Amino acid sequence: QEQVVQTGAEVKKPGASVKVSCKASGSTFAGYHMHWVRQAPGQGLEWLGCINLDSGGTDYPQKFRGRVTMIRDTSINTAYMELTRLMSDDTAVYYCASEPGITKYFQHWGQGTPVIVSS
Amino acid sequence: QSALTQPASVSGSPGQSITISCTGTSSDVGAYNYVSWYQQHPGKAPKLIISEVSNRPSGVSNRFSGSKSGNTASLTISGLQAEDEADYYCKSYTGSSTLAYVFGTGTKVTVL
Repeated sequence: QEQVVQTGAEVKKPGASVKVSCKASGSTFAGYHMHWVRQAPGQGLEWLGCINLDSGGTDYPQKFRGRVTMIRDTSINTAYMELTRLMSDDTAVYYCASEPGITKYFQHWGQGTPVIVSS
Repeated sequence: QSALTQPASVSGSPGQSITISCTGTSSDVGAYNYVSWYQQHPGKAPKLIISEVSNRPSGVSNRFSGSKSGNTASLTISGLQAEDEADYYCKSYTGSSTLAYVFGTGTKVTVL
């Protein structure tokens, strides 16, 4: 049974950083990419970037370059997303989602991690 | 790169068919057959229901179907059921180095 499980909710102050983890079980790791998507309250989905779980190579949209970092630990099948210099606009639910191979679709999604940025 | 355009809301009665459009440009939807659709119930994570324009993953009802014409992709839900009431998002690969994936604005489906 493929499954992706994320860490729990986070509350951060403006200017701080947050690191969210995403653990994959089953065969959802080798040969996959892990993407990160966020959803602000009442809003749509926004792509934050992805990491190749084999090579560690990353792809970040221009909007988040310099502020987002994605890494993975293959020994424990876990991917991480760190977002720095948090602002209130970063308040959102952050999801990880796996892409099998180079298929361009997001197959298995984590349950989401709420991140609240508030002073 | 702007979000793909979807109608804000679509409604239908049980048993009816509805279609949700997803309009992009010749740089995203029109350029690649990498359009996928996601269903999201309130408070839940999105779920993949259509990949690569028209492929239905294992376990997804055959009442869901996808297509594409030019720069517009479409999702059709036939035999509408109460459980289909949810938000639906399209997504396209863009091949751009500034934003490789773009989502649609989202459509709220209401079953009357």
